[in-house]
Amino acid sequence: NAGVTQTPKFRVLKTGQSMTLLCAQDMNHEYMYWYRQDPGMGLRLIHYSVGEGTTAKGEVPDGYNVSRLKKQNFLLGLESAAPSQTSVYFCASRTGGSNQPQHFGDGTRLSIL
Amino acid sequence: DQQVKQNSPSLSVQEGRISILNCDYTNSMFDYFLWYKKYPAEGPTFLISISSIKDKNEDGRFTVFLNKSAKHLSLHIVPSQPGDSAVYFCAASSWYNNNDMRFGAGTRLTVKP
Repeated sequence: NAGVTQTPKFRVLKTGQSMTLLCAQDMNHEYMYWYRQDPGMGLRLIHYSVGEGTTAKGEVPDGYNVSRLKKQNFLLGLESAAPSQTSVYFCASRTGGSNQPQHFGDGTRLSIL
Repeated sequence: DQQVKQNSPSLSVQEGRISILNCDYTNSMFDYFLWYKKYPAEGPTFLISISSIKDKNEDGRFTVFLNKSAKHLSLHIVPSQPGDSAVYFCAASSWYNNNDMRFGAGTRLTVKP
């Protein structure tokens, strides 16, 4: 039972490079989320999706794009990476209905030089 | 603006004693509150939650108390065990957008044998 799997686990980029983080869940969850966690701060929501083919902005969406072409996958893209995007990125998913907890992956540590 | 605050970055307790972790929030629209536990190099894992219609929820050694008038919640762990040593995050969401979950910065709990 894999749950939420994030790929890759670590990555170092140069400023201006692009990359895509992949999140896959095998729990048939409708809702998926991307967060970033920075030192001394809680997780902050970047984008989320309430179903296949839908996406919405969260608290800190600038500089990121997302896609949810398949129900089980949620992709986070950085078109032109900046040092301010150095962070640990977490993906989460949850089932539908109100008051349901989110289940998290183990994170991707991204450093941008 | 940080709508969920955990003012104690760290807490140290002796094994077998009670651990009390505190969380304050500013948004009166929040109606669902959760605690997550996080070990190093892993994603947060859901621990316990409470909705605003209750003031207490208990699950084994873990109890969450909610004081809506004070906009305060706390997590009690009794008795504390060394395996409880982790970072604990408080999170909250509102009835009008339960996808926009806000997290506190976390409290690092150390339980000493």
